[in-house]
Amino acid sequence: LAKTTQPISMDSYEGQEVNITCSHNNIATNDYITWYQQFPSQGPRFIIQGYKTKVTNEVASLFIPADRKSSTLSLPRVSLSDTAVYYCLVGVYNQGGKLIFGQGTELSVKP
Amino acid sequence: GAVVSQHPSRVICKSGTSVKIECRSLDFQATTMFWYRQFPKQSLMLMATSNEGSKATYEQGVEKDKFLINHASLTLSTLTVTSAHPEDSSFYICSARHGEGFMGKNIQYFGAGTRLSVL
Repeated sequence: LAKTTQPISMDSYEGQEVNITCSHNNIATNDYITWYQQFPSQGPRFIIQGYKTKVTNEVASLFIPADRKSSTLSLPRVSLSDTAVYYCLVGVYNQGGKLIFGQGTELSVKP
Repeated sequence: GAVVSQHPSRVICKSGTSVKIECRSLDFQATTMFWYRQFPKQSLMLMATSNEGSKATYEQGVEKDKFLINHASLTLSTLTVTSAHPEDSSFYICSARHGEGFMGKNIQYFGAGTRLSVL
């Protein structure tokens, strides 16, 4: 089961770009990397998913190097409403795609 | 994105009673759903994997007789906390796996969660 490691917390200011890096050294060949955002007392919200190289959507970008042992979530021009906990997860192919949540990164965006 | 509905959002009950929480995938079918619990300031902890038409698979340390899971249809899974006690008070969250293809690529969509308070 691939374990992920991320910084416990990060601070940023409005309008800045935020990059959160996650390491997953024992990621399996079939595993995808998925990032979620969670606000207090809410369920996690899907942000982005990728397998390798770069993926971009309307919310964020995900950079994955060739060895896939890490990934970086990039949030462009954050606002106060981006203050949340961000989780990096690696799915388990042979166990129905179940996800094991790590501690996540608590992002605090200040004015 | 796909929508998962969870009901109720909050429940307060007396110790010893049972509580049922529903998780529905509204615009897609999900053969696999998952149940998590989350304590304040902590991460989500996977409790069990719910498979349509078969028994749930519980994570180590989770009492299957305490937390009954039923996945009777492709859009509904229920979690029943039996004989609830104050230590069962927590935030319970369900998710549904979207997509039946390559499992590694499937995305889980989460419900809004249920806050259970046992008095």
